[in-house]
Amino acid sequence: GESVGLHLPTLSVQEGDNSIINCAYSNSASDYFIWYKQESGKGPQFIIDIRSNMDKRQGQRVTVLLNKTVKHLSLQIAATQPGDSAVYFCAEKKNTGFQKLVFGTGTRLLVSP
Amino acid sequence: GAGVSQSPSNKVTEKGKDVELRCDPISGHTALYWYRQSLGQGLEFLIYFQGNSAPDKSGLPSDRFSAERTGGSVSTLTIQRTQQEDSAVYLCASSLGAVLSLEQYFGPGTRLTVT
Repeated sequence: GESVGLHLPTLSVQEGDNSIINCAYSNSASDYFIWYKQESGKGPQFIIDIRSNMDKRQGQRVTVLLNKTVKHLSLQIAATQPGDSAVYFCAEKKNTGFQKLVFGTGTRLLVSP
Repeated sequence: GAGVSQSPSNKVTEKGKDVELRCDPISGHTALYWYRQSLGQGLEFLIYFQGNSAPDKSGLPSDRFSAERTGGSVSTLTIQRTQQEDSAVYLCASSLGAVLSLEQYFGPGTRLTVT
């Protein structure tokens, strides 16, 4: 499949390492945040979400951390696998009652075996 | 179960032609969204449908872009008089709705190339 972006920030890790993907969001009024994973040639796939009243949420092998003070969101992937190679997007929903998500530009994760 | 489907998967058109892109959301999802993804960019919101409410068209880049959602299900995004800058992947997503769920499920996208 084709790349979704040739000039995205890229994080290269070895299989088995932990990965941390960072995202700065723009609006202090945002009340909901989501991480999506997009594999080449596919649409984005939901990974994990977090509401603004939380600062940490864990899923299977993934953890999202939210620091509202500095408007920073991170996605931690434990024991990264080659299948985790993809572009990862953070998205924020502004507290306007409408589900409009504002997406970041994405980070490409490359996992080497 | 069936996910969000989009057709065609690829579309090549000449500058100045009109194109229609189709989205079939997940059955029972009342909310439907269109996004555009250009190379090296994130997802750009275009339009949002929620049930029978008037759509939010705030993301449409020009009046050449329009979208319909018939019967609360299938949606069509139409681009008139296509320009080369319209070349992108157009993604459709659906969700249960604003109250029930915020998780959006995406289709595979339609890659539009304007020559």
